[in-house]
Amino acid sequence: SQQGEEDPQALSIQEGENATMNCSYKTSINNLQWYRQNSGRGLVHLILIRSNEREKHSGRLRVTLDTSKKSSSLLITASRAADTASYFCATAERSDTGRRALTFGSGTRLQVQP
Amino acid sequence: EPEVTQTPSHQVTQMGQEVILRCVPISNHLYFYWYRQILGQKVEFLVSFYNNEISEKSEIFDDQFSVERPDGSNFTLKIRSTKLEDSAMYFCASRGIMVSNQPQHFGDGTRLSIL
Repeated sequence: SQQGEEDPQALSIQEGENATMNCSYKTSINNLQWYRQNSGRGLVHLILIRSNEREKHSGRLRVTLDTSKKSSSLLITASRAADTASYFCATAERSDTGRRALTFGSGTRLQVQP
Repeated sequence: EPEVTQTPSHQVTQMGQEVILRCVPISNHLYFYWYRQILGQKVEFLVSFYNNEISEKSEIFDDQFSVERPDGSNFTLKIRSTKLEDSAMYFCASRGIMVSNQPQHFGDGTRLSIL
């Protein structure tokens, strides 16, 4: 798979259920970030996890990072219809300058049915 | 909360014409980026800019593209002679300087349609 590939590509759940999205990457990274994109809109930053962190929480979001497997997961608990969006992981490769651009995955389209 | 703003939200241009996309990054940020997203595809990196010069650019960012920070607030992307395949959403992003583990903040994008 390519750098920053999400799976599944599409996910449909009922309101109140949990949604789990996975991301795999290939290179060494400084950090991994998750973004949300509503249809036709910009990318909203959700959470950043550093390469030396294993888990991070923010509200209903929980992100894990396994650098040995080069993978991450995003869990949205107690989903709401408003969570309907595309979710992307993006990796910042390790570099001396820290100026690396982000490499995005293809995204997971989440549909939360009311 | 401060945000990245982009104008216009939608630009329609004839093939071969020049187009300038404008961005106002978050005021105390010093790293600036342009990305694009062709409909239904991944977000792709174009160029990063720091200290008034390009830090990094992708293969997409060829001689037809240029960036400029003409004053203390604006950051522009120019496409000199547009092609049909330049049709995409173009996103500007900025990041604070502190350490490398800072998120990039994105604008809402400019939808560029080449006819």
